[in-house]
Amino acid sequence: SAVISQKPSRDICQRGTSLTIQCQVDSQVTMMFWYRQQPGQSLTLIATANQGSEATYESGFVIDKFPISRPNLTFSTLTVSNMSPEDSSIYLCSVDRGLAGGPLSSYNEQFFGPGTRLTVL
Amino acid sequence: GIQVEQSPPDLILQEGANSTLRCNFSDSVNNLQWFHQNPWGQLINLFYIPSGTKQNGRLSATTVATERYSLLYISSSQTTDSGVYFCAVGEGGSQGNLIFGKGTKLSVKP
Repeated sequence: SAVISQKPSRDICQRGTSLTIQCQVDSQVTMMFWYRQQPGQSLTLIATANQGSEATYESGFVIDKFPISRPNLTFSTLTVSNMSPEDSSIYLCSVDRGLAGGPLSSYNEQFFGPGTRLTVL
Repeated sequence: GIQVEQSPPDLILQEGANSTLRCNFSDSVNNLQWFHQNPWGQLINLFYIPSGTKQNGRLSATTVATERYSLLYISSSQTTDSGVYFCAVGEGGSQGNLIFGKGTKLSVKP
């Protein structure tokens, strides 16, 4: 299984500010994903991040609000911009176990980072 | 898009009891995973099971892809089994992301 770390693990932020969340993986992976889990809810995909290309956002999520970087095959960042209390959630990154350079597939097991618990006041 | 329904939404058990959690999905899938989310929010991989049956200790899972459902069995439940259990599927032709059900919240009482 992949070992995934996220920073910060939690933060309390003021309305109108921005927070950048980092996701580091211990091996090179092709696919990285960012999810949001609002309080008491299930997980919702924000975007898919492939190295060397623009992130692909799901309906309801836009790049200006959630800019994503994927500078290499082991690292990605998600920024939550101009935050409001409605952004209070757990943000999780996940990776596909598929090896970098291999065929893209929806068949691979996914593993999740420990999450970043964000509270916006 | 594909719909994922989990039942029951909530389940309270006495320690030692057995339980079955169900996941129905509305279309063909190429990936199905069961997760346990602990009280700290960490998602723990339980099973990667797009089809067939697997067992791991007190837990086992069965996916019948042709009938579009999966079952998670928990035997001899323990208080540490408490948390939310999620079923998540991957659609064929997708980028590989998972679509999550709403989860089953399990509480095991001592």
